[in-house]
Amino acid sequence: QQPVQSPQAVILREGEDAVINCSSSKALYSVHWYRQKHGEAPVFLMILLKGGEQMRHEKISASFNEKKQQSSLYLTASQLSYSGTYFCGTERANDYKLSFGAGTTVTVRA
Amino acid sequence: ETGVTQTPRHLVMGMTNKKSLKCEQHLGHNAMYWYKQSAKKPLELMFVYNFKEQTENNSVPSRFSPECPNSSHLFLHLHTLQPEDSALYLCASSQVGTSYEQYFGPGTRLTVT
Repeated sequence: QQPVQSPQAVILREGEDAVINCSSSKALYSVHWYRQKHGEAPVFLMILLKGGEQMRHEKISASFNEKKQQSSLYLTASQLSYSGTYFCGTERANDYKLSFGAGTTVTVRA
Repeated sequence: ETGVTQTPRHLVMGMTNKKSLKCEQHLGHNAMYWYKQSAKKPLELMFVYNFKEQTENNSVPSRFSPECPNSSHLFLHLHTLQPEDSALYLCASSQVGTSYEQYFGPGTRLTVT
């Protein structure tokens, strides 16, 4: 079953912060975050394997709340290069098969 | 070539045609995937090959036929497609057992007329 992402879209000015949420109705083994720029392939950002684990990619960080079956991606002091569509991919078991959310389109303006 | 490559990048085909999409990974990975990405829809996992064996087929119509001759190559054979099959088809690979991050190719933009 596919996770639910929110919001669907967000517009930021450079330097502003944003949070993207990813929720699942089932227990999760891991959460992956990817970013896809227009016309390009999705690019891996980070994976969270343990409950409460927080990871970081540049100034982008994420948390995983196993009990709540959700993950959040934090865009801090956003840069123009952060624009793109962010997808969470959830893995229910240790089986390397991901279900992706619908994506959150982030637009960062100067 | 590095990473994951896909050919062709664009494909227009009629509903009665037969075509194939090709994916090649240069990362030494042991698992490969086909995904379908339609406008305003989540990425849909179609097929998974782990160590060249198909381990997942998410109820994909038989007009899509995958082939994985070795751990570096993956094909998606297409025949008698429908207009709703028009989408971006992405290939990905990963190294199961050590790292789960998936590396995606640039995709093939398929249009069925």
